[in-house]
Amino acid sequence: EDKVVQSPLSLVVHEGDTVTLNCSYEVTNFRSLLWYKQEKKAPTFLFMLTSSGIEKKSGRLSSILDKKELFSILNITATQTGDSAVYLCAVDIGNQFYFGTGTSLTVIP
Amino acid sequence: DAGVIQSPRHEVTEMGQEVTLRCKPISGHNSLFWYRQTMMRGLELLIYFNNNVPIDDSGMPEDRFSAKMPNASFSTLKIQPSEPRDSAVYFCASELTGLGNYGYTFGSGTRLTVV
Repeated sequence: EDKVVQSPLSLVVHEGDTVTLNCSYEVTNFRSLLWYKQEKKAPTFLFMLTSSGIEKKSGRLSSILDKKELFSILNITATQTGDSAVYLCAVDIGNQFYFGTGTSLTVIP
Repeated sequence: DAGVIQSPRHEVTEMGQEVTLRCKPISGHNSLFWYRQTMMRGLELLIYFNNNVPIDDSGMPEDRFSAKMPNASFSTLKIQPSEPRDSAVYFCASELTGLGNYGYTFGSGTRLTVV
């Protein structure tokens, strides 16, 4: 059965901390893995990963995919209160997407 | 629970044809959302319902798009007439409003191709 599992389910950190969010998957016909930030009603696209070992970066956020071990991580350095959100991971298998349940991140001032 | 169920998974249609996408939310969830995902624009909110009532449809591209939620367990997104630029993945998501943590559950999407 195809599935996507995110961990931890929730996380509370202080401003300035670095966090690592995990997304593991078991799917057939993997095409890509996507990360989203959801703080209102429409998730914001962060990264799309298709190749192992290539880190993608955007400011304080970075992500990498390991297709051998079937997981991806999303790193956020020097966290800010504006980073508080639910972070979603989704895997595209071609004819459908599988979403994880998300990691709820709270950054305390 | 089977989660949010969308159908069809993949739809290929000719320009000008009517397309109907379907969504069954999780039982007990009182909010339902329709999104469109393209590589150019990412995930866009089209419309959302609360207790079967459309609350915000400002994201609906134009009059060719319409959405209904006749009851708590079913919603449709209709495109008439369809155009090639409508090609995208359409997601439905549901939520039990009031959780405070945006606990959405997404369906697996409908990949629409208009030729």
